Amino acid sequence: GAVVSQHPSWVICKSGTSVKIECRSLDFQATTMFWYRQFPKQSLMLMATSNEGSKATYEQGVEKDKFLINHASLTLSTLTVTSAHPEDSSFYICSVNKPAGATEAFFGQGTRLTVV
Amino acid sequence: QQQVKQSPQSLIVQKGGISIINCAYENTAFDYFPWYQQFPGKGPALLIAIRPDVSEKKEGRFTISFNKSAKQFSLHIMDSQPGDSATYFCAASTGYGGATNKLIFGTGTLLAVQP
Repeated sequence: GAVVSQHPSWVICKSGTSVKIECRSLDFQATTMFWYRQFPKQSLMLMATSNEGSKATYEQGVEKDKFLINHASLTLSTLTVTSAHPEDSSFYICSVNKPAGATEAFFGQGTRLTVV
Repeated sequence: QQQVKQSPQSLIVQKGGISIINCAYENTAFDYFPWYQQFPGKGPALLIAIRPDVSEKKEGRFTISFNKSAKQFSLHIMDSQPGDSATYFCAASTGYGGATNKLIFGTGTLLAVQP
């Protein structure tokens, strides 16, 4: 069964509105989660590292005020795309690493965001 | 230094053939090298992973070959099947892929296995 659940699977929104994407770790507690962005036929680009109880760490070039990350509990991280524009249309994926001592990263099923 | 270079960009293989995808890295601190399979509209799923203390790892039809001195690793898919048609990503991380260690992904290879 799924280890990481992401919701919604797809969303269409109007330009200027905000969209929230949820990522839940189902099998274990996760103090750290990762958010990726993937354009069609391209690789996964890490956007930010979500840290439970503290601020997220953003990769260079990612606007932290546009992509708000909240990691309020050990099993839930949310990504909010604020004031969305068509160029924000993409596939957003979250991942969780197994707790220390193991190696596998589990990915959510992804969220297809289309901004019209 | 953080890049992972992957080739080829696309690959067509006949059913039953061997698919080979290559990756190269620069950062010698990387110590965990997984391969992921991704179907359209889905998140990536781990196929197989290797640490640099071994030169080869095999799981079923999937084999990773690792060349530490050349800083290269490759995925071999034996007896390729149409169901293997997907995009494959190599990746690398430090800290043995622990809970807080982020993955750096290669550019991806679109594999098509023809029946």
